[in-house]
Amino acid sequence: RKEVEQDPGPFNVPEGATVAFNCTYSNSASQSFFWYRQDCRKEPKLLMSVYSSGNEDGRFTAQLNRASQYISLLIRDSKLSDSATYLCVVNKGSWGKLQFGAGTQVVVTP
Amino acid sequence: NAGVTQTPKFQVLKTGQSMTLQCAQDMNHEYMSWYRQDPGMGLRLIHYSVGAGITDQGEVPNGYNVSRSTTEDFPLRLLSAAPSQTSVYFCASSPGGRELFFGEGSRLTVL
Repeated sequence: RKEVEQDPGPFNVPEGATVAFNCTYSNSASQSFFWYRQDCRKEPKLLMSVYSSGNEDGRFTAQLNRASQYISLLIRDSKLSDSATYLCVVNKGSWGKLQFGAGTQVVVTP
Repeated sequence: NAGVTQTPKFQVLKTGQSMTLQCAQDMNHEYMSWYRQDPGMGLRLIHYSVGAGITDQGEVPNGYNVSRSTTEDFPLRLLSAAPSQTSVYFCASSPGGRELFFGEGSRLTVL
């Protein structure tokens, strides 16, 4: 079983709609969590960190559920520019222990 | 405003050849790392460094060497290329905080 698992998608979303997807992790000792965004054939870039109490950054909301060992990302009012692959990243405690999920592809359509 | 610079961006090798992927950062970050990205898999850590003179193995280190003689540079050496090393390679740096800054990637094909 992979340490970090994501639904690969694609999630096809009409412009203006809301989309949400999860990422599950297997190691209960994981300490910090992030969402990265990767455009096609580009490098990943940090989208947002995920805090225990949940956090928002504009149209993006991230949640952490430690009991069920998953994090989620919700995108409201989707824009065409939100089309990308979203990578879940889990840190087990040191920089050598970052684990990346394979990504969830989101396609926003007009 | 360069950030993390990787060269070359594309490379084709024959099995058994060696090469070095270069990575340089101008942000004075202590932490640097190399990842490979393959279809359907997450980025996998090859090697990383927490400072000049210090390196350590990641998840998939076999077939690769690294060194860190300066804060700025972190080259990745393929000793004897194999088709299984066909991949996209990303170098990343971090100030030790919460964010990784990636280079644009190097696409390697081994025939």
